[in-house]
Amino acid sequence: DAGVTQSPTHLIKTRGQQVTLRCSPKSGHDTVSWYQQALGQGPQFIFQYYEEEERQRGNFPDRFSGHQFPNYSSELNVNALLLGDSALYLCASSSAGYGYTFGSGTRLTVV
Amino acid sequence: AQKVTQAQTEISVVEKEDVTLDCVYETRDTTYYLFWYKQPPSGELVFLIRRNSFDEQNEISGRYSWNFQKSTSSFNFTITASQVVDSAVYFCALSEAGDSWGKLQFGAGTQVVVTP
Repeated sequence: DAGVTQSPTHLIKTRGQQVTLRCSPKSGHDTVSWYQQALGQGPQFIFQYYEEEERQRGNFPDRFSGHQFPNYSSELNVNALLLGDSALYLCASSSAGYGYTFGSGTRLTVV
Repeated sequence: AQKVTQAQTEISVVEKEDVTLDCVYETRDTTYYLFWYKQPPSGELVFLIRRNSFDEQNEISGRYSWNFQKSTSSFNFTITASQVVDSAVYFCALSEAGDSWGKLQFGAGTQVVVTP
């Protein structure tokens, strides 16, 4: 049974560019959350998607947007990248808010 | 305001020593969940335990044990007879009911280094 799958694993972007990260949830999970983890810090909640809608949002600017598809997979989009957006982006899936399974993350470097 | 505080930035022990990680949380909700996750160098957050606010019973799982005390808002984690494979960053997290349900709020993490 596959867990949470994230792609790509690493990528490098230039300031001002846009990036899309992808997440496939664990089988049986219908809710996807995204987190940003800067180096040496704990993960920070970006937003959560359920039934293809954004259900909750953390303290992140509108440059961060997302989408959930009918098969429960999700995308995280970041526009106008800043150096400070460099981080590990983690996706977590869950069902009925019970258990949160995390993927291995996407390491984004903005240069 | 920081809702989850892990005051220990790094703990270094020699193999077979016990290590206790402290976690203090803050919430006004009466219903909430507390979690511990392990993050090895690979980056993936590995789930260790979930405890709801109504269950203060301590739990033991192999070499791991957890001490939940609502009176002091603490949820501490002990690794008994540590091993090199326990080297990782450990995070405590809080999920509150109501509007924030489903949002995990993490502490800053504690780096555990176990040397042979």
